[in-house]
Amino acid sequence: DVKVTQSSRYLVKRTGEKVFLECVQDMDHENMFWYRQDPGLGLRLIYFSYDVKMKEKGDIPEGYSVSREKKERFSLILESASTNQTSMYLCASSLDFRGTTGGNTIYFGEGSWLTVV
Amino acid sequence: GNSVTQMEGPVTLSEEAFLTINCTYTATGYPSLFWYVQYPGEGLQLLLKATKADDKGSNKGFEATYRKETTSFHLEKGSVQVSDSAVYFCALGGSGGYQKVTFGIGTKLQVIP
Repeated sequence: DVKVTQSSRYLVKRTGEKVFLECVQDMDHENMFWYRQDPGLGLRLIYFSYDVKMKEKGDIPEGYSVSREKKERFSLILESASTNQTSMYLCASSLDFRGTTGGNTIYFGEGSWLTVV
Repeated sequence: GNSVTQMEGPVTLSEEAFLTINCTYTATGYPSLFWYVQYPGEGLQLLLKATKADDKGSNKGFEATYRKETTSFHLEKGSVQVSDSAVYFCALGGSGGYQKVTFGIGTKLQVIP
């Protein structure tokens, strides 16, 4: 079974702190994603990566950056945390979409609940 | 661009009732369609999918048919259980390349005994 592991389930950080959310997948997937989930807004894509050192902005990249130095690991960075970044963050991975009809399943981690105070 | 429309809910049903959660989409080309489920405190997991028109995806008693003529992918189950209480997301896959997956807002289902 594919496993996507997020390093922290619950975090509490102070405004202005630098925050790292780590994610590791064990199925050699090319694609990795970071989403945030908020009530009434569903899932919103922050960033995704289709290869090592490659990244693409999603729908809401402002205030975030990412790093993918190894294929299995994708980190989300909040350079200076703010209270409006309090949310549930979901990491996900999938096989490459290229040459397909986009039917590859996305596998999600269990989520990281971040509270910024 | 691509979009997915589904009701937010919550939808409250009694055990053994029939479930329908509507999903309609807007897309170019021939995308794949998915239903994901999120149980309390967990991430999302794939429930079922369909990759072309008229395909029916099914799993755990749930099913959905890819209807290109009505641009819909409604989720149905004949008899729900308390354990089906979760949030259900309809999603639209891109037509290959780097096109990202588009998720609906999620529909919360509560099943009461």
